[in-house]
Parts: sequence; structure tokens; C-alpha cells
Amino acid sequence: DADVTQTPRNRITKTGKRIMLECSQTKGHDRMYWYRQDPGLGLRLIYYSFDVKDINKGEISDGYSVSRQAQAKFSLSLESAIPNQTALYFCATSWGAGSDTQYFGPGTRLTVL
Amino acid sequence: AQSVSQHNHHVILSEAASLELGCNYSYGGTVNLFWYVQYPGQHLQLLLKYFSGDPLVKGIKGFEAEFIKSKFSFNLRKPSVQWSDTAEYFCAVNSVGSGYALNFGKGTSLLVTP
Repeated sequence: DADVTQTPRNRITKTGKRIMLECSQTKGHDRMYWYRQDPGLGLRLIYYSFDVKDINKGEISDGYSVSRQAQAKFSLSLESAIPNQTALYFCATSWGAGSDTQYFGPGTRLTVL
Repeated sequence: AQSVSQHNHHVILSEAASLELGCNYSYGGTVNLFWYVQYPGQHLQLLLKYFSGDPLVKGIKGFEAEFIKSKFSFNLRKPSVQWSDTAEYFCAVNSVGSGYALNFGKGTSLLVTP
């Protein structure tokens, strides 16, 4: 079984709709992250969480919100989706030290029409 | 703020050729450095990382990277590439100031031809 899972894997939606992307992990890690990947831009940080009570904005948090429902679950919401949020979204997890490896989920491909 | 620069956006090599992908970062403090690989249709996987000690680090699948502090560089190398190395390669850096979130370069797309 995969250690970091994301649902859905693919989603097509329309402008203005609310969308939630979910991430679950079985690694027992404290830290969870959401990134988006755009062609030619690499991955950029949206939000990160140290634990269920500690959530922080990343480089590109505008238009997004998150919820850390439990240590193992970290959801990303687009309150009102817009076409430039079309991207590949990755969740990642790690322990607390900077040298720790981040483990990535398989990604969610979101298309906003 | 940190930034990561990858010099080559697209690289095409023949099998058995040597590979070197450049990565420079801008940050004056203590950093941890990573190379991740994304094979077609797959999620990111760690190739190797540096956080302390020997600046020459070895990773999976025959990859290695050298941390040169004076040049703020962390270049990835492989002596002889294979067709299966076709993938996108990302250099990343983190530090305590960013909550150890990764700051990625824009990636290098490598195509290895038979």
C-alpha cells in the first residue's frame, strides 16, 4: 500500500466551483505539505503544516485554504476555482528535521474550465 | 528569500553519455540540498540529499552530487546514462526559516535516446 495517497487522482471542474483535494499518509509523519506543479515552473509551496494546530502559508497560498483534520490527513480546498489553478497538485510528508526526506503522493491533476 | 536555479531546462543525451545537471542556490545560511526525480507519469522520488559531512554524496541508480559551498552549487552527475533515466530532475533546498519546506528549481527534462 502507498504511504501517501491523494484523492481524487484526476478532476475536471468549472470556474467558480468549490473543490477539495485530500491527502492521507500512513508514515506517521508530523509535517505535511501541499505543492503545485506547473510546466516550466517546478513545484511551488501552497501550504504546510507542522501538526494539527500549526498551519502556515506558503509562497502561493492565495485562492487556497487547507485543513489538517488529523495527523494523517491534510486537505486542500479551492473555494472558487479559476482556470489558472489548473495544475498538478502534490502532497508531501516528512518528519521534523530539515534533512529529512519529503515523501510525495502520486499527485492530483486538476483542470478548471 | 531562497532561490534555486537549474541551468539546463532540456537535455538530450545518447545512452552511455555522461550527465551533469547544474544547480545553484542563493541563501547564506545553513541549507539542506536535495535532488528529486520524476519519471513519466510518476510522483517525485528522492535521488540523493546533502545536509552535512562529505560534500560528495551518492544516491540511487548511480547518481551522485557534489556540494560546493563557495559556489553555492549542488550539481548532479552520472557517468553513463541509460534510457530509463529519462525523467524530470528537480534540485531543491530547504532551511529552518522556511519550516523546512522545499524550495524547488524549475526542473530539467532529460531525454536519453537509445
